[in-house]
Amino acid sequence: QVHLVASGGGVVQPGRSLRLSCAASGFALDAYALHWVRQAPGKGLEWVAVVSNDGNIKYYGDSVQGRFSISRGNSRNTMYLQMNSLRPADTAVYYCVRALGITNWLDIWGQGTLVVVSS
Amino acid sequence: DIVMTQSPDALAVSLGERATINCKSSQSILYSINDKNYLAWYQHKPGQPPKLLIYWASTRESGVPDRFSGSGSGTDFTLTINSLQAEDVAVYYCQQYHATPFTFGQGTKLEIK
Repeated sequence: QVHLVASGGGVVQPGRSLRLSCAASGFALDAYALHWVRQAPGKGLEWVAVVSNDGNIKYYGDSVQGRFSISRGNSRNTMYLQMNSLRPADTAVYYCVRALGITNWLDIWGQGTLVVVSS
Repeated sequence: DIVMTQSPDALAVSLGERATINCKSSQSILYSINDKNYLAWYQHKPGQPPKLLIYWASTRESGVPDRFSGSGSGTDFTLTINSLQAEDVAVYYCQQYHATPFTFGQGTKLEIK
């Protein structure tokens, strides 16, 4: 069965950093583009970032550009989101999501991990 | 950035009736080279991750009931749910994957009347 699992969330103070991880089972992550999408409490879905299957192409949403960095791990089945200079507005459930390519629909969503930025 | 605007924000429909959700993009998301509309629809229930329903504006994902259908082209799109079931209560989002940032609509909350 195909699964994505996001982890690494928690409570962090404003200005600090956090790294989220995404692991896959049932398929090889490096065959797909991978996205992060988040949902702040009581809000809608917001696209955060994408990395191509080979890791060479990356794009970011306006609100995280310059602070967040998406990458693939050495393992074929891991992906990361490095979040720096965190703000209270970054508080959200973060989903890792699979797509066939960068300009493709999001077909498999992980369960999500909660990040709370608060002093 | 392409802005996606859904209407209505909330909708209450009787069981067995039809629900219609609209999505408008601020610019065309039809790619002329392949004649594809780069639009997807997702269903999001509380406590679960979102679920893909429709891609290319009108192609139903495998396993999605045929009461769900998508239509539209260019800048105007519609998700139709025929014969509404209790399990269809959710928030529905459209999303464009034509150009980064890949923006979502604000969501439409569907309830049973």
